[in-house]
Amino acid sequence: AQTVTQSQPEMSVQEAETVTLSCTYDTSESDYYLFWYKQPPSRQMILVIRQEAYKQQNATENRFSVNFQKAAKSFSLKISDSQLGDAAMYFCAYSLRRDDKIIFGKGTRLHILP
Amino acid sequence: EADIYQTPRYLVIGTGKKITLECSQTMGHDKMYWYQQDPGMELHLIHYSYGVNSTEKGDLSSESTVSRIRTEHFPLTLESARPSHTSQYLCASSDAGGRPNSPLHFGNGTRLTVT
Repeated sequence: AQTVTQSQPEMSVQEAETVTLSCTYDTSESDYYLFWYKQPPSRQMILVIRQEAYKQQNATENRFSVNFQKAAKSFSLKISDSQLGDAAMYFCAYSLRRDDKIIFGKGTRLHILP
Repeated sequence: EADIYQTPRYLVIGTGKKITLECSQTMGHDKMYWYQQDPGMELHLIHYSYGVNSTEKGDLSSESTVSRIRTEHFPLTLESARPSHTSQYLCASSDAGGRPNSPLHFGNGTRLTVT
């Protein structure tokens, strides 16, 4: 079965500091996509960052970057210079190229401490 | 701002009632999805559609049904609500004509409580 595991149900970080959210996944396929989605309280879920498995270079989007370790099936999200608006549930997810359905992890709730 | 709209935002309803959760998107996306999300849990895909008159069941068994008569509209119906249906329901869409495995655009969700 294809699974996504986020081992940290909750995390806290001081404003302006850096935090890393962990994610591992399990698949026997080699062609897939990985995502991090953010769900702020009472607001819609939005895409944070996307990584194509065949690309070795880690994706970055402003203060958000990933550490993609394909052999280890690890896909962590690093948030630099944390801001109060970063407080949210973060979901790691992936989809197979051939399938297109997205599988989500259970999420990590991130608190930003002022 | 959301380009995908879900109504109602909150719904409290008695057991046995028939309900329809509405989802509409203005982006012209071919692919639409319904996810069920319990508090603190992952999202589970319950239905998806790759275009008009196309609907499929997702990975999580659900007693709900969906229809896709128009590209922009993807309603979900429960014929007889039960307390076990209490959950948050998220609608999403993606652009089939875009890159492979295009990211999902989500609505704000409907939080359903069945008493």
